Amino acid sequence: EAQVTQNPRYLITVTGKKLTVTCSQNMNHEYMSWYRQDPGLGLRQIYYSMNVEVTDKGDVPEGYKVSRKEKRNFPLILESPSPNQTSLYFCASSWAGSDRVYEQYFGPGTRLTVT
Amino acid sequence: GENVEQHPSTLSVQEGDSAVIKCTYSDSASNYFPWYKQELGKRPQLIIDIRSNVGEKKDQRIAVTLNKTAKHFSLHITETQPEDSAVYFCAASPSGGSNYKLTFGKGTLLTVNP
Repeated sequence: EAQVTQNPRYLITVTGKKLTVTCSQNMNHEYMSWYRQDPGLGLRQIYYSMNVEVTDKGDVPEGYKVSRKEKRNFPLILESPSPNQTSLYFCASSWAGSDRVYEQYFGPGTRLTVT
Repeated sequence: GENVEQHPSTLSVQEGDSAVIKCTYSDSASNYFPWYKQELGKRPQLIIDIRSNVGEKKDQRIAVTLNKTAKHFSLHITETQPEDSAVYFCAASPSGGSNYKLTFGKGTLLTVNP
């Protein structure tokens, strides 16, 4: 079954404790992306990657890191989480051509709470 | 960077009526405009998208129109049904060169009353 998976689905942590949210897709998609969703603010892009070893900042990259060492995986790293990073996080993937991206397939979401 | 404004933030219609959601964008380089539907507690899913080389696209009860000169695009849902109730997000992307950012609007909560 074609899918995007994220782990963990729920996480409660404390300020400053490094964490990683994993994202994996089995559709051989070139493009992968991370979003955060906050009430009243919609979806905001954190980072995206056009292919292996190619990453770029979205609109809200501060406090986050990503890596794309393999095509199927795109982990999101919070080196020192703070309460303002409490949010619902979505990973997404899509096909990408030389001049366009296509429909994004979203993962199920990760609910993160930082106390 | 790109800025996408979406209106209205909430919309309530009677079953069978039409619903229209409007978005404006700021970056004239944007050329890809998708619409996503998010039901309560679920992930966003694409319902329709349009690229800048066309002005309108239809898929059954859903249509999107694009006015590149005015930098706005709209989602039209006809003959609304209760299962259309959800949050709808528009988005815009330059989708080319070295920039493949996707910027979303803040969403519209559509409620279809039976």
